[in-house]
Amino acid sequence: NAGVMQNPRHLVRRRGQEARLRCSPMKGHSHVYWYRQLPEEGLKFMVYLQKENIIDESGMPKERFSAEFPKEGPSILRIQQVVRGDSAAYFCASSPRKGANYGYTFGSGTRLTVV
Amino acid sequence: DAKTTQPNSMESNEEEPVHLPCNHSTISGTDYIHWYRQLPSQGPEYVIHGLTSNVNNRMASLAIAEDRKSSTLILHRATLRDAAVYYCILRDVAGNTPLVFGKGTRLSVIA
Repeated sequence: NAGVMQNPRHLVRRRGQEARLRCSPMKGHSHVYWYRQLPEEGLKFMVYLQKENIIDESGMPKERFSAEFPKEGPSILRIQQVVRGDSAAYFCASSPRKGANYGYTFGSGTRLTVV
Repeated sequence: DAKTTQPNSMESNEEEPVHLPCNHSTISGTDYIHWYRQLPSQGPEYVIHGLTSNVNNRMASLAIAEDRKSSTLILHRATLRDAAVYYCILRDVAGNTPLVFGKGTRLSVIA
C-alpha cells in the first residue's frame, strides 16, 4: 500500500512563473491537507480538502494560491506568479476520516525554490 | 485546539529510554493527544495518539496523566534514527480543525 505520493520532489521556478504541486493520497483516504514549511520555521497549515470540496482554507494566502482535489486524480496546489518568499517545503497529508481518532499520513514533500 | 507546552530541546544517549514531556493544562474532555515527529529533511510522521488510557505501539508508548493535563511520550531505547523534532498536538474528537504544529521538542541522540 503506497503512502502519500508527492511530486515533484524538487521544483525550481523563476519569479513570475507558475508552480503546480501534486499529491496523491493513500488509497482509501478522501481527506487531504496541505502544509508549508519555510526554511528554519515550523509547519503551517494551508488548506484542507475533501473530494471536490475545500473544507478549510484559513491558512491559504489570499492571492496567487489555490488548491483543488478533483473526483479523479491527485490534489493540486497551484501557486501563480511565484516570488522568492514562496520558496519552502510543501507537505501534503491524508487521512481516511475527519475525526481525531485518525492520524495523518504525510508525504515526503515538494521543495520549491524560486530563483 | 488547546495549546501544548514542550521543552525546546532534549538530549539522550543512544540505547537509553527517552521521556518527552508535554503539558496541556487546558485540555478538554474530548481532546485527543497526538504525537508526530519530523526527521531532518523529511515529512512529519505519525507516532501515537490517545485519549485517556496509556497507549503502546511499535514505535513508542504514551503515558497520560490521570487528570490529562500532561502526557509523556516514551521511546524505550533511543537510536540515532530517533533524532527528530517531536510534536505534541491536541485535537478535538470531531476533528473539526486540522493538526496545528507548534515548535515541538528537538531531540538529539548521542552515540
